[in-house]
Amino acid sequence: NAGVTQTPKFQVLKTGQSMTLQCAQDMNHEYMSWYRQDPGMGLRLIHYSVGAGITDQGEVPNGYNVSRSTTEDFPLRLLSAAPSQTSVYFCASSYAGAEGSYGYTFGSGTRLTVV
Amino acid sequence: SQQGEEDPQALSIQEGENATMNCSYKTSINNLQWYRQNSGRGLVHLILIRSNEREKHSGRLRVTLDTSKKSSSLLITASRAADTASYFCATGSYGNNRLAFGKGNQVVVIP
Repeated sequence: NAGVTQTPKFQVLKTGQSMTLQCAQDMNHEYMSWYRQDPGMGLRLIHYSVGAGITDQGEVPNGYNVSRSTTEDFPLRLLSAAPSQTSVYFCASSYAGAEGSYGYTFGSGTRLTVV
Repeated sequence: SQQGEEDPQALSIQEGENATMNCSYKTSINNLQWYRQNSGRGLVHLILIRSNEREKHSGRLRVTLDTSKKSSSLLITASRAADTASYFCATGSYGNNRLAFGKGNQVVVIP
């Protein structure tokens, strides 16, 4: 059971380049989300999804796109990379509850540097 | 916006001692969760406590929740060097699956 798999683990981009961070889970979790982690800022929610075909914005969505065509995959696209997007990105998944959240399973992260 | 705020921000203790961290939050919650993050790794879920619960145990972990004070505490008993990590609290609201994370609390256990 792999859990949540993120690729790549490290990436360096030039300003203006685009790329896709991959996230896949094999636990049949309905809920998936992307966070970025910056020093002193904790984790901030970028986008999330409650199921295939359904996505919504989190706290810091600007400059990022997502789609959810399958239950398993939730890729994060950087449209035109900027140095402010230098961060560690985490994908997380969980069961979806009508009343509230369950515990999240996190991926190991993607460390992105934009130069 | 960040919901949970951990206190103290950094803690250094001797192996075998107990470590206590606090988390405060501002709005009504459905549950509160604690996570551990080892250096360079992803977060690992430790424990979830619901708003109608006051205390919960899991191994050497003890979590309390005081909804009247909007605060929670995480106690790690008989700490080990392997407990060295950052610990985050996260709050969940009613009717959605989002979690709002605090900024984290770094714990160093000295062998």
